[in-house]
Amino acid sequence: KNEVEQSPQNLTAQEGEFITINCSYSVGISALHWLQQHPGGGIVSLFMLSSGKKKHGRLIATINIQEKHSSLHITASHPRDSAVYICAAYNNNDMRFGAGTRLTVKP
Amino acid sequence: NAGVMQNPRHLVRRRGQEARLRCSPMKGHSHVYWYRQLPEEGLKFMVYLQKENIIDESGMPKERFSAEFPKEGPSILRIQQVVRGDSAAYFCASSPGQAAVYEQYFGPGTRLTVT
Repeated sequence: KNEVEQSPQNLTAQEGEFITINCSYSVGISALHWLQQHPGGGIVSLFMLSSGKKKHGRLIATINIQEKHSSLHITASHPRDSAVYICAAYNNNDMRFGAGTRLTVKP
Repeated sequence: NAGVMQNPRHLVRRRGQEARLRCSPMKGHSHVYWYRQLPEEGLKFMVYLQKENIIDESGMPKERFSAEFPKEGPSILRIQQVVRGDSAAYFCASSPGQAAVYEQYFGPGTRLTVT
C-alpha cells in the first residue's frame, strides 16, 4: 500500500463544476504540499500546509492532521485547470508523493 | 528573479554513456532537491543537497548515480553508464530552507532518453 494515496486517479468535469481531490497519508508529516503538473510537464507548487486551510484564487486546500487527510478544491473549474494534481507528504527530509490525479475539465 | 533553471531540457544518450543534468536554483536558495519521474509514473525523491553537502540521498540508486552542489555553480546530477531504464524526466526544485518548512520551486525538467 502506498503511503500517500490520492483519489480519484482520473477525474473529468464540465467547466464550472466544483472539483475535489483527496489525499490520505499513513505517515507522520510536518507539511503537505499540493503540486500541479501541466500537460507539458512543468510542475508548480500550489500550496504548502501543515494545518487548517489555505485559499488562493479559485483553489482551496484543507488538511486534517488527526485524520491524516487533505483535500484540494477547485471552484468554478475551467479547461485551463486540466492537469495532474499531486500531493506530497513531507516529514523533515523524507518525502512521499501520491500517484497524482489527472483532471480534465471540458468546455 | 529568474526561476529554477535546468539544462539541457532534452538529452539523448546511448546505453553506456554518461548523462550530466544541471540545475541552477533560484537566487538566494541554498537547498536543492532532485526528483525522477519515470514514464507514466509518479514523482520519486532522489536526493536533497545544500551547498557542498548531501543531506539525504536515500532515494538515489546505489550505483551509477551521483549528485553534487558545489559552492559555486549549479547542482549536477550525474548518471554513469546509462541504461534504458534511466529514461525519465528529472526535475530539480529549490527552496530557501527545508522542504518541510518552505515552498519549493520546480525547474522545467530534463527529459533523458536512452537509446
